[in-house]
Amino acid sequence: AQTVTQSQPEMSVQEAETVTLSCTYDTSESDYYLFWYKQPPSRQMILVIRQEAYKQQNATENRFSVNFQKAAKSFSLKISDSQLGDAAMYFCAYERPRETSGSRLTFGEGTQLTVNP
Amino acid sequence: GAVVSQHPSWVICKSGTSVKIECRSLDFQATTMFWYRQFPKQSLMLMATSNEGSKATYEQGVEKDKFLINHASLTLSTLTVTSAHPEDSSFYICSAAGSSNQPQHFGDGTRLSIL
Repeated sequence: AQTVTQSQPEMSVQEAETVTLSCTYDTSESDYYLFWYKQPPSRQMILVIRQEAYKQQNATENRFSVNFQKAAKSFSLKISDSQLGDAAMYFCAYERPRETSGSRLTFGEGTQLTVNP
Repeated sequence: GAVVSQHPSWVICKSGTSVKIECRSLDFQATTMFWYRQFPKQSLMLMATSNEGSKATYEQGVEKDKFLINHASLTLSTLTVTSAHPEDSSFYICSAAGSSNQPQHFGDGTRLSIL
């Protein structure tokens, strides 16, 4: 079974600084997707970034970028120029291709990010 | 972008009543919908996966007679919590998936409080 581990229950960063959230996963598959979701106090799940395992290039979305190390099964999220609105719970997630039987999102435990002004 | 509407956003009811939560995909056809439960400061736990026109697949430990799921159309899935009790109080979130290459889209969640 696939597992996702986020070893940092809480992280804090100063506004305008950079922070990196860690995520590791375990799978025997070669084709899969990895995600970072943001959940602010409103509890809405917001997709931050998605990485396709067969793509070697790290995904980026404006201030958000990932460091995808497939062999190490590591998928960290870097937030640059942190803003107060970035404060939220961040979940790392794994998913096999949808056409695979039993495909579903597997979430990590989450990292609570605090942004200090 | 794709939108998933979930209603109600908050419901408070007495113990023993049944509560229905709706999840609608507004601008795409959702062949698969997922129902999650989330306790405070915890991660999302998948309860069941529903495919349009077929029975839902429940995760281990989730009572299918307690949490009834119907996915009668490509745009609507419902979760009914039957004979709800205080221990069923939680945050329930749905997500919908269209084509296999697109990520799941989440509803805004339903906060259920059973008195």
